[in-house]
Amino acid sequence: QVQLQESGPGLVKPSGTLSLTCAVSGGSIISDHWWVWVRQAPGKGLEWIGEVYHSGNSNYNPSLKSRVTMSVDESQNHFSLELISVTAADTAIYYCAGANGPSLSAYFDCWGQGTLVTVSS
Amino acid sequence: SYEVTQPLSVSVTLGQTARLTCAGDNIGSKNVHWYQQKPGQAPVLVIYNDMNRPSGIPERFSGSNSGKTATLTISRAQAGDESDYYCQVWDGTTVVFGGGTKLTVL
Repeated sequence: QVQLQESGPGLVKPSGTLSLTCAVSGGSIISDHWWVWVRQAPGKGLEWIGEVYHSGNSNYNPSLKSRVTMSVDESQNHFSLELISVTAADTAIYYCAGANGPSLSAYFDCWGQGTLVTVSS
Repeated sequence: SYEVTQPLSVSVTLGQTARLTCAGDNIGSKNVHWYQQKPGQAPVLVIYNDMNRPSGIPERFSGSNSGKTATLTISRAQAGDESDYYCQVWDGTTVVFGGGTKLTVL
């Protein structure tokens, strides 16, 4: 059973860069899974940020695309999220997840516990 | 962009059947996935590809999808089913989540 664990700073200054890592255990990051980031602002619903494959291929939410970069580190068996030029609107719990199933129809069958990132000076 | 709509809240009497809907244009042509999220916890997949249950999910959870509406049905509702539920679809290369439904078990 694949397990995921997010890590990274819990506080980021406005206009700074949010950087998170998701460690994959119990399985290889070189698998059929696409690796996903989802966020949830306080009291709000789920928002898909994007996905990355171990080959480096990625798809991003159009609303965030200009600020997001995702990558995979095979040697560390983890994947990462970078979000630049953050504002208070980026304050949220950030979840990493694994996407299973056919591309463009996949479902998220494993999730990290989530990490709260607050954007504040 | 594609949108899916969920009712903000649904109430069900203990032991009865809850039906949670996810509405979207021709959603019947898409694969719909459902997640349960309890307060302070990560979402959990409860239904995938319209009607399939992952291992460990009780048979009380079922799904259907036709026309403009996908439905998550929870039979014999229990207090532990009280959660937020989100539907999810793909729109081209983008994932779309519904706004979520808060299920209250009375």
